[in-house]
Amino acid sequence: DAGVIQSPRHEVTEMGQEVTLRCKPISGHNSLFWYRQTMMRGLELLIYFNNNVPIDDSGMPEDRFSAKMPNASFSTLKIQPSEPRDSAVYFCASSPSGSTGRYFGPGTRLTVT
Amino acid sequence: DQQVKQNSPSLSVQEGRISILNCDYTNSMFDYFLWYKKYPAEGPTFLISISSIKDKNEDGRFTVFLNKSAKHLSLHIVPSQPGDSAVYFCAASISNTGKLIFGQGTTLQVKP
Repeated sequence: DAGVIQSPRHEVTEMGQEVTLRCKPISGHNSLFWYRQTMMRGLELLIYFNNNVPIDDSGMPEDRFSAKMPNASFSTLKIQPSEPRDSAVYFCASSPSGSTGRYFGPGTRLTVT
Repeated sequence: DQQVKQNSPSLSVQEGRISILNCDYTNSMFDYFLWYKKYPAEGPTFLISISSIKDKNEDGRFTVFLNKSAKHLSLHIVPSQPGDSAVYFCAASISNTGKLIFGQGTTLQVKP
């Protein structure tokens, strides 16, 4: 079975540019999560969707961040404009409804110069 | 406000010895706790969990202990192996909220 798929795996961009991260959850999983990993704060939940509907976006750092889930098999996290402090590893995770566990993708390492 | 804290960024242990990773939490409403393991260039993977109605859960070399009064949990790995070298994340949740709060992670190095 394919796990959670994320693309790109690495992204290097200049400050001010738009960045779009992509995620394909595990088929059949109803919940999708976007996390950001930093040294200081560990794994922070940015936003999560249930049945393609955003449930909690309180972790989104600011208006420069937006996320969409147009269908059950695809989600995007967009940063516009990007800033150097956005540099981190961004993980997408999915889970079946009601499950506490998370199945993580391999992550996208974002570097903003 | 960091509700789940792993105060030790790193830990180094000799192969065959015990590794003890610690985690503290502040929210008394948390009722389910998990440990995840992360290798470089990979996403975290589930390792072991414990419900708040228990104080211990064991799975092979891995044991998680929960002290609710102290709001503290720990992961014991016995015996430690070089393949256990990874980042370990503690996580906590409140049932039916859908949220899982992670700590900062502890990097474990097991030396041969």
